[in-house]
Amino acid sequence: DGGITQSPKYLFRKEGQNVTLSCEQNLNHDAMYWYRQDPGQGLRLIYYSQIVNDFQKGDIAEGYSVSREKKESFPLTVTSAQKNPTAFYLCATHSGLAGWDNTGELFFGEGSRLTVL
Amino acid sequence: AQKITQTQPGMFVQEKEAVTLDCTYDTSDQSYGLFWYKQPSSGEMIFLIYQGSYDEQNATEGRYSLNFQKARKSANLVISASQLGDSAMYFCAMRETYSGAGSYQLTFGKGTKLSVIP
Repeated sequence: DGGITQSPKYLFRKEGQNVTLSCEQNLNHDAMYWYRQDPGQGLRLIYYSQIVNDFQKGDIAEGYSVSREKKESFPLTVTSAQKNPTAFYLCATHSGLAGWDNTGELFFGEGSRLTVL
Repeated sequence: AQKITQTQPGMFVQEKEAVTLDCTYDTSDQSYGLFWYKQPSSGEMIFLIYQGSYDEQNATEGRYSLNFQKARKSANLVISASQLGDSAMYFCAMRETYSGAGSYQLTFGKGTKLSVIP
């Protein structure tokens, strides 16, 4: 099936530990994104990548790191420097095709819920 | 100032009735896009409808329509004939300035929780 797979669905972390959230897609999309969602809040952009081996910081990149070694994969590492990492994390993709007829719709995975104990 | 404002934290609607979810936006760009996403309790974000700033007609997708009032900078979602499965969070989002480099960043509102009553 074509889509975006995030794992794990639920993750618990002790304070001071780094954790990595996986995001894999088989949509052949160029652009990939990581968003963070807190209760009662909208989604906030952490990092995004338009092409392999390139990525840019979003609005709340501090305490997070990413890599884009393959087109299909865009893992997010939540480091110990992130002061309040408990949140719901959503990975998204976009085809990245240029053109005014491209709406810019993002496709989302099912999310990963991280809880710091 | 917030770029996307959703003033209704929660809404109730009777099954089979229509409901309007409000969204106002703030941008100085001439070219932008507006989206509505649905987020059920499972967490996945489901794309519902899109309106481009240059589109003269309101977008419609099945039971969903977008009431686009450009001068007022509002993009309200109208759901007709509500169903129990429509109970979810609904987010309004905006894409600004087409970068030409494939970077489509969306800014999201805080969402409206819709509850459909049998």
